[in-house]
Amino acid sequence: DAGVIQSPRHEVTEMGQEVTLRCKPISGHDYLFWYRQTMMRGLELLIYFNNNVPIDDSGMPEDRFSAKMPNASFSTLKIQPSEPRDSAVYFCASRPRQNTEAFFGQGTRLTVV
Amino acid sequence: DQQVKQNSPSLSVQEGRISILNCDYTNSMFDYFLWYKKYPAEGPTFLISISSIKDKNEDGRFTVFLNKSAKHLSLHIVPSQPGDSAVYFCAASAGWGGSQGNLIFGKGTKLSVKP
Repeated sequence: DAGVIQSPRHEVTEMGQEVTLRCKPISGHDYLFWYRQTMMRGLELLIYFNNNVPIDDSGMPEDRFSAKMPNASFSTLKIQPSEPRDSAVYFCASRPRQNTEAFFGQGTRLTVV
Repeated sequence: DQQVKQNSPSLSVQEGRISILNCDYTNSMFDYFLWYKKYPAEGPTFLISISSIKDKNEDGRFTVFLNKSAKHLSLHIVPSQPGDSAVYFCAASAGWGGSQGNLIFGKGTKLSVKP
């Protein structure tokens, strides 16, 4: 398996534009996580899914953020409209079941200007 | 409200010595704990884990200790090597309850191992 695949690796967009981040988890993994990394907050959990169902989205900062997992092999994190304070590195991770290690993608570095 | 806390943003040690990274947690529902290592421009990579039924787990140069009564865990690296220089994240997971399966991280500790 190629591991968790995120795209794009880098995204630069203008304030007010819609941004969509994509993630392909490892096949057979039941859990998928979206994190945001910033200097101030470290690795912040935004939302996680179990068997494609969102379980906890309390970390999503605002209604401008939304995440979907239409099937077991794909998830998106959308920001609409984007703002400069959304600039961060966004990571996707998957794990086979609870109480196991999670595997991370390479991340998407988002810059909103 | 941070559920997983790493109170030391940075740590510097000499090559060959022991590195001790600390982590505290507040949620008593956490029952599985992990340490990750992260290099710049890469995703975090798993290092070692421990279940709440144990108080120690060892893997080569890395040992994790868990003190459930104090809600504290630590990662020991012996001996430290320059290649260990990275940011280390502590993480915790709840196996039951409303948030079972979640995975919460601390803010990380940047370890620098000097030759």
